[in-house]
Order: sequence, then structure tokens, then C-alpha cells
Amino acid sequence: DAGVTQSPTHLIKTRGQHVTLRCSPISGHKSVSWYQQVLGQGPQFIFQYYEKEERGRGNFPDRFSARQFPNYSSELNVNALLLGDSALYLCASSSGQGSGYTFGSGTRLTVV
Amino acid sequence: AQSVTQPDIHITVSEGASLELRCNYSYGATPYLFWYVQSPGQGLQLLLKYFSGDTLVQGIKGFEAEFKRSQSSFNLRKPSVHWSDAAEYFCAVGDGGATNKLIFGTGTLLAVQP
Repeated sequence: DAGVTQSPTHLIKTRGQHVTLRCSPISGHKSVSWYQQVLGQGPQFIFQYYEKEERGRGNFPDRFSARQFPNYSSELNVNALLLGDSALYLCASSSGQGSGYTFGSGTRLTVV
Repeated sequence: AQSVTQPDIHITVSEGASLELRCNYSYGATPYLFWYVQSPGQGLQLLLKYFSGDTLVQGIKGFEAEFKRSQSSFNLRKPSVHWSDAAEYFCAVGDGGATNKLIFGTGTLLAVQP
């Protein structure tokens, strides 16, 4: 079975642009979470979706949004990019609260 | 608020030596605890997790961790380190809410010398 897949793996954007990151969870996993990992720090929670509904949101500005599709894949959107948005964006999927999380390899976003 | 502290930013051990990475958490109830490993430029791989039951948890790659409620600790151990264990290690606690989102420590970077 494929693990959590994320695309693209790397991208470079200019300040003020918009970006869309994509995530496909493990087959059968209905929960998808997004994390931002700035260099030298641990990942920070951005969003969690379960059965296409937002279950939680971290302390991120409204420029960050996400959605989950009927096939449980997910998109993370970031508008009006800032230099500080440069980070590794990680997607994690889970089959339930007690099962732990499986992470993808991430998307490395660089804002110039 | 829940938090995780990994007091060691960087640790160097010799190959074949034992390893212990420290993790302390702040949480009101019985926590869900995790250790993840991250190789350069990669995502996070789950080493082990503790939800309840036996406080000594076995994981992959020969790692184990012990939950000590009295010390609010969940230290990661390995009896003999291999060069391939060089990576960054993150301790995390599930916040126990509707999302059970993970709260991570700042990580410990492990270097292994020959």
C-alpha cells in the first residue's frame, strides 16, 4: 500500500503569490492533518480534517485554508505568501484517534 | 497548555554506544505520547507510541521508551547505536482534544561518530 503522498516535493514562490499543496492519505484513512515545520523547529499544527469537515485549526492566519475531498485527499492553500511561510509542509493521515499518525515526506516551500 | 520539552538540542554518541534522548511533557491527564525520527529533507517516521498500559514501549529499529508519570517523562533509549540512526528525533504529545493534534518538541539532532 502507498503511504501518505504529497505533491509537489519542492516549489519556489514569490512574495504575494498563492500556493496549493496536495496530500493523498493512506487508503482507508479518513483524517488528514497539516503541519508546518520551520527550519530548526518541530512541526506546528495547522489544520485537521475528518470526513471532509474541519475538526481543528492551529494558530495560523486566515491566509491559510484547507479542504478535504470525497476521496479524503486534501489541499492546503496559502494566500499572499510571506517570506516567513518558507517551511516544510507535512501532511499526516490517521484512521482514528487512537491509531497515531503517518506522515508524508512533505513539500518544501521557499518564498523569495 | 500542553507542551513538550526536549532539553538536548544536539547529541553525539559513538557507534555501538547506548543512547538516551530526553523528553518531558506538560499535560493534565494521561497523555498520548510519540517519538518520531526525521532524516534530512524527509518526513517523520513513527518510532513508537504510548497510549496506555505497559509503561515500557517497544518500537521499530530497536528503540524503546519508558513512560514515567511521576517525572512527566518519556525518554527514548537504544542499547547500541548504529551509524544509520543519525537523524533528528522528535517527541510529541497528543493534545487529547477532538483532533488529538500533536504538539512537538523542538527536536534532538543525533550525530553518530565511528
